[in-house]
Amino acid sequence: GQQVMQIPQYQHVQEGEDFTTYCNSSTTLSNIQWYKQRPGGHPVFLIQLVKSGEVKKQKRLTFQFGEAKKNSSLHITATQTTDVGTYFCAGRIGGGSEKLVFGKGTKLTVNP
Amino acid sequence: ETGVTQTPRHLVMGMTNKKSLKCEQHLGHNAMYWYKQSAKKPLELMFVYSLEERVENNSVPSRFSPECPNSSHLFLHLHTLQPEDSALYLCASSLQLGVASEAFFGQGTRLTVV
Repeated sequence: GQQVMQIPQYQHVQEGEDFTTYCNSSTTLSNIQWYKQRPGGHPVFLIQLVKSGEVKKQKRLTFQFGEAKKNSSLHITATQTTDVGTYFCAGRIGGGSEKLVFGKGTKLTVNP
Repeated sequence: ETGVTQTPRHLVMGMTNKKSLKCEQHLGHNAMYWYKQSAKKPLELMFVYSLEERVENNSVPSRFSPECPNSSHLFLHLHTLQPEDSALYLCASSLQLGVASEAFFGQGTRLTVV
């Protein structure tokens, strides 16, 4: 079936280090969304990317959508303890489907 | 708060019990969803409703029965569940189908089947 692969599954960093999570799809995505889920919480929408090669920034977070619209990445510069949580990508398959296919997520822990 | 409210937050039920999960949103959204989140698995889409009409059912066992009486409320009726059904059940809503819109998630119901 349609899958969205996300790596790494876990990432442990020292506060101040950078962090990147990658998302890959076997099929072209019409758009991709990123969510963050804090421990014990629920997924919260971060951003949506639609255009091929699109790059968006939110403070220390940089999101990219690949040229082929099959991969995406989230990069956090100089991590802080408030960045801990699981980051999910969710790809929307083309053709107007409402189905958001979620990756397994990358669980980030930050050592102060 | 995202504007999507789920009750109860925690539920423990036996395999012969019948229970219901409730989701409510007053965001004016027309699409509502049920997701299942298990440990070490991606978020699994279970059901999609648009304007109270079910538009997607992802091969979910019949022991899970959704109901959408209006665009603000969504239920998940549970009966004769199995221990492997223990998970976090998340409700979400979005503005409408067919439009690239973000999903607003509720806080989830942590279900334990004993």
